Amino acid sequence: EAQVTQNPRYLITVTGKKLTVTCSQNMNHEYMSWYRQDPGLGLRQIYYSMNVEVTDKGDVPEGYKVSRKEKRNFPLILESPSPNQTSLYFCASSPIGTATYNEQFFGPGTRLTVL
Amino acid sequence: SQQGEEDPQALSIQEGENATMNCSYKTSINNLQWYRQNSGRGLVHLILIRSNEREKHSGRLRVTLDTSKKSSSLLITASRAADTASYFCATDANRGSTLGRLYFGRGTQLTVWP
Repeated sequence: EAQVTQNPRYLITVTGKKLTVTCSQNMNHEYMSWYRQDPGLGLRQIYYSMNVEVTDKGDVPEGYKVSRKEKRNFPLILESPSPNQTSLYFCASSPIGTATYNEQFFGPGTRLTVL
Repeated sequence: SQQGEEDPQALSIQEGENATMNCSYKTSINNLQWYRQNSGRGLVHLILIRSNEREKHSGRLRVTLDTSKKSSSLLITASRAADTASYFCATDANRGSTLGRLYFGRGTQLTVWP
């Protein structure tokens, strides 16, 4: 089944403890992206990747890192999480190397709480 | 900053009625997309309309785009309780250096009562 998977789905952690949220897609998509969703703010783009080894900042990249070493995976790394990073995170992928010309396929989301 | 903004923030209707949601954006675009999100779930793509298109249909969905007014509308006809969800518009920015950027609005929460 064509899908975007994220792990973990739920995570409660403490301030400063490094964590990684994994994202994987099995559709051979070039484009992948991370978003965070907060009440009243909608979805905001954190980082995106238009192809392997190519990553760029979105609207809210501070406090996050990403890597794209292989096409299918796009992990989101929080080196030193803080409570303001408590949010619902979504990974998405799209067939070609831009966000604009194709639909994006979203993962199920990761609910992160930083205490 | 938000490129797209949906209006209204919340909409409550009876089954069988039509639901209309609007999206306004700030800069010129290549395309505009509409997504749906059931509570706490991932977003699902509904429809994409290109800047040179004025109207597009998909089943019970009708999307219009007015680039002169920088606005789009999503019409759901003969709504059903299962249409209850949040609806988001997403736009790009028509600048070559930002082809990877996609901007979502805050969404319209649609509730359809049986």
